Amino acid sequence: GQNIDQPTEMTATEGAIVQINCTYQTSGFNGLFWYQQHAGEAPTFLSYNVLDGLEEKGRFSSFLSRSKGYSYLLLKELQMKDSASYLCAGLDTSGTYKYIFGTGTRLKVLA
Amino acid sequence: DSGVTQTPKHLITATGQRVTLRCSPRSGDLSVYWYQQSLDQGLQFLIQYYNGEERAKGNILERFSAQQFPDLHSELNLSSLELGDSALYFCASTSGDSSYNEQFFGPGTRLTVL
Repeated sequence: GQNIDQPTEMTATEGAIVQINCTYQTSGFNGLFWYQQHAGEAPTFLSYNVLDGLEEKGRFSSFLSRSKGYSYLLLKELQMKDSASYLCAGLDTSGTYKYIFGTGTRLKVLA
Repeated sequence: DSGVTQTPKHLITATGQRVTLRCSPRSGDLSVYWYQQSLDQGLQFLIQYYNGEERAKGNILERFSAQQFPDLHSELNLSSLELGDSALYFCASTSGDSSYNEQFFGPGTRLTVL
């Protein structure tokens, strides 16, 4: 089946830049999403990429390379409130459409 | 507040029982998605409905079923419950049936099976 891999945990300092990577099997995936989830809360949508390249939204940017099965989420000017889990999700269009989520990257922002 | 509501917030029940989780999408949204999130498996997509019809299916067990009603609210039925079904169940809604639409998640129902 399809698989999405992302690091389990990352730590960064307030004000810094952090890049969270996500890799996936290339066949059948059509679109890559990023969600933020604070502990005990619902995920909230950050971005999606359908085509290769960089999508920028304020302090958050997401990049996709479909040929390499690779995406990253870039967070700039880190704030304490950015401490959360970041979920990478792919849309698998082989067969019936379904979303495949990675297990998430837990980001800790330190003062 | 995403505009998606889920009831109940918490549910505690015993193995072998059956429960129903309810979701009301954002006003105007026609698509509803159901997800299961457990500690060891992350967020798992279960099923999607669009305007009353099943649109996509993930790793949903045969003991689980869902439906979307004419008023667009959706219910997820879980039967013959097992300890491993303890998890957070989220629903999400989108305005269209395009799979690239941003999904708005409800606050979740925490199910505990004893």
